[in-house]
Amino acid sequence: EVQLLESGGGLVQPGGSLRLSCAASGFTFSSYGMRWVRQAPGKGLEWISAISSSGGNIYYADSVRGRFTISRDNSKSTLYLQMNSLRVEDTAVYYCAKRDSVGWNDYWGQGTLVTVSS
Amino acid sequence: EIVLTQSPPTLSLSPGERATLSCRASQSVSTYLAWYQHKPGQAPRLLMYDASSRATGIPARFSGSGSGTDFTLTISSLEPEDFAVYYCQQRSSWPLTFGGGTKVEIK
Repeated sequence: EVQLLESGGGLVQPGGSLRLSCAASGFTFSSYGMRWVRQAPGKGLEWISAISSSGGNIYYADSVRGRFTISRDNSKSTLYLQMNSLRVEDTAVYYCAKRDSVGWNDYWGQGTLVTVSS
Repeated sequence: EIVLTQSPPTLSLSPGERATLSCRASQSVSTYLAWYQHKPGQAPRLLMYDASSRATGIPARFSGSGSGTDFTLTISSLEPEDFAVYYCQQRSSWPLTFGGGTKVEIK
């Protein structure tokens, strides 16, 4: 059974940093691309970053480029999102999602809440 | 960036009724469109991909259609567990984008 478990969320002040983790199990992690998607309170889903299976290809949404860094450790089956220079508008539930063989998000985690507030 | 517009924002229906959800793209996405179901506090769930293919384990009451810029998700007869928010998403071009969602609520 595929499982994705996010962690690392919490309360942080504007300008602060946080690192999210997504522990994967139930599939060969090193064979699949991964994504981060967030949902701000009362809003819809927003894709923010993607990484290929090897880590060689990385993409960011304009809203986080230059502030967030996606990475992965295939030996630990874990996906990361380093978030720097956090803003109030980054407050959201952050989900990791597995990319299937053609590009869809076929499995998602339950999410971790990040609150940016003074 | 491809903008996906979903309508209506809210659909108030009773169990057993038919639900028809719309997703319109600002430019052609061919059939590179998926639908997700999302319930509060849960992980989003892939329902349909490539516009009309059901994901693994998705009941036959869910169907999708469309290509280019206009897409439809149909739930033929609503079950109690189907009341949720539904999002469309395109992967035709970066950035990946989602629609704003349609909430299917109990009337």
